[in-house]
Amino acid sequence: NAGVTQTPKFQVLKTGQSMTLQCAQDMNHEYMSWYRQDPGMGLRLIHYSVGAGITDQGEVPNGYNVSRSTTEDFPLRLLSAAPSQTSVYFCASSYSTSGDDEQYFGPGTRLTVT
Amino acid sequence: GESVGLHLPTLSVQEGDNSIINCAYSNSASDYFIWYKQESGKGPQFIIDIRSNMDKRQGQRVTVLLNKTVKHLSLQIAATQPGDSAVYFCAENSSWGKLQFGAGTQVVVTP
Repeated sequence: NAGVTQTPKFQVLKTGQSMTLQCAQDMNHEYMSWYRQDPGMGLRLIHYSVGAGITDQGEVPNGYNVSRSTTEDFPLRLLSAAPSQTSVYFCASSYSTSGDDEQYFGPGTRLTVT
Repeated sequence: GESVGLHLPTLSVQEGDNSIINCAYSNSASDYFIWYKQESGKGPQFIIDIRSNMDKRQGQRVTVLLNKTVKHLSLQIAATQPGDSAVYFCAENSSWGKLQFGAGTQVVVTP
């Protein structure tokens, strides 16, 4: 198993540009999530999904969209990038859909918005 | 709002000694807690978890203690090794489907 994979690893955007961060898992997990990590602030939940066709907002959803058309993929879209979205983004997945289970994290995408 | 926090941002420990990382939580309804280790440039890696019906759980060289009375969680690492140098996060399932993370503690292992 490859586990959780994320692409790209690094990205630089100009303010106002849009892009999609890709996330895929091959463990047949129903639960997938996106976090952002800023220095000194730990990980904050952006959006999560408990199965194909089902998504919900986390703690910091503004400026981001998600969709879940398949069990394997959970892309994160930045509609109009802002410097405040400069961060490291992590995708995670878990077997349990209730959040009370180990989440497996991808290697992260480091995004810089200028 | 309710939050998970850590008492010490940086912990320096000598190789071979035991490490104790503390975490305070404020959501009394949380029933699941988890510790992650994050090495520089990598994603968080699971260490150990515990449910609220337990006070203690042991893994390989690690022990998690849960004190629900004072809403306190700790991670003990026995015989700390250089490879244990990392940032350690505690997290709780503050509500259904959501994990809330603390800010993290940097552990530095010195020879």
